[in-house]
Amino acid sequence: GENVEQHPSTLSVQEGDSAVIKCTYSDSASNYFPWYKQELGKGPQLIIDIRSNVGEKKDQRIAVTLNKTAKHFSLHITETQPEDSAVYFCASYGNKLVFGAGTILRVKS
Amino acid sequence: NAGVMQNPRHLVRRRGQEARLRCSPMKGHSHVYWYRQLPEEGLKFMVYLQKENIIDESGMPKERFSAEFPKEGPSILRIQQVVRGDSAAYFCASSPSDRGRELFFGEGSRLTVL
Repeated sequence: GENVEQHPSTLSVQEGDSAVIKCTYSDSASNYFPWYKQELGKGPQLIIDIRSNVGEKKDQRIAVTLNKTAKHFSLHITETQPEDSAVYFCASYGNKLVFGAGTILRVKS
Repeated sequence: NAGVMQNPRHLVRRRGQEARLRCSPMKGHSHVYWYRQLPEEGLKFMVYLQKENIIDESGMPKERFSAEFPKEGPSILRIQQVVRGDSAAYFCASSPSDRGRELFFGEGSRLTVL
């Protein structure tokens, strides 16, 4: 079945720096790649997504890139703030949504 | 515009008891997904339901776990004869379509088995 690998598992950055989280997927039929943010004690919230016909998408301080040939996609957060601290999950959709294991992002002020 | 509602938010059960977790999808959504999250781990798909139908239960353990989404009322995830390994957060998500791409998650139900 589909497998999604996510790295790193933890990431600490200084406030104002950039953070990058990378994922790879195995199903070449996957065509939708969302990213979710999960704060402590809460459910995952969709923060940005990208479809397979697009290589990059930006929304203010966050951006996603997709390389279909290499089956890689990444989340980029610029000018990180303490409120960006959370667990981030990537996912890919072939015939169901499969999640990566998550990245704990800590933004130090 | 209420989001996905899950209850209870926290549930404590002793080994051997039953746990029932409820999920009301967002208004207008008729597709419900259940995911399990173990401590320090990601979200694992359990089951996908539409009203009165189980579409995909490939992630459900073969025994003790069942799910339903009746014509009226919330979706229910039922765990019989709970064991300590069932302790986890159970998240429900709903989708407006059968594509299952854009999922909206509830706040989760945290089950603790003593």
